Amino acid sequence: QKEVEQNSGPLSVPEGAIASLNCTYSDRGSQSFFWYRQYSGKSPELIMSIYSNGDKEDGRFTAQLNKASQYVSLLIRDSQPSDSATYLCAVNSGNTPLVFGKGTRLSVIA
Amino acid sequence: DAGITQSPRHKVTETGTPVTLRCHQTENHRYMYWYRQDPGHGLRLIHYSYGVKDTDKGEVSDGYSVSRSKTEDFLLTLESATSSQTSVYFCAISNGNTEAFFGQGTRLTVV
Repeated sequence: QKEVEQNSGPLSVPEGAIASLNCTYSDRGSQSFFWYRQYSGKSPELIMSIYSNGDKEDGRFTAQLNKASQYVSLLIRDSQPSDSATYLCAVNSGNTPLVFGKGTRLSVIA
Repeated sequence: DAGITQSPRHKVTETGTPVTLRCHQTENHRYMYWYRQDPGHGLRLIHYSYGVKDTDKGEVSDGYSVSRSKTEDFLLTLESATSSQTSVYFCAISNGNTEAFFGQGTRLTVV
């Protein structure tokens, strides 16, 4: 069974700091990796996708992928209180449904 | 937002009654999914569709059925609702090995 693991948190960081969110996955054949942000009572919103080893940056967000270690991470620089949410890691292999981790709750303290 | 509409947004129903949730997309995406989200369990796949009349089971499919007679519509039916099916249900769409986009969700309460 394909699994995606995340630390449930809560992860608390002060405003302006770097938040580091981590995710591991079990299926070595996984090809696509995504980070979603979900505010309480809302639907998941895609914030980053990454398909190859290395870093991908988009604004304050950086996704990092290491397929050898089966590890993907999300860094949020200059964290803001508005970043407080649950972050979901999702993985898929070919044309298969996304498998989600249970999410990490991030709290940015002003 | 991607063109995904779920209906109803909220529903309260009694145990043993049938319930149908609807997902409608305007993006012409091939794949459609139904997930449920519960505290401590995250998002779990119920059923998905990879084309008109082509569907498959997910990890928590017992007690649910689906139908897709048109590209744009994917229906989830609880044949006889139980309290364990109280949850938030999300529909999502994708074009395969790419990102998925989610609808607003349906909060279902079975009393």
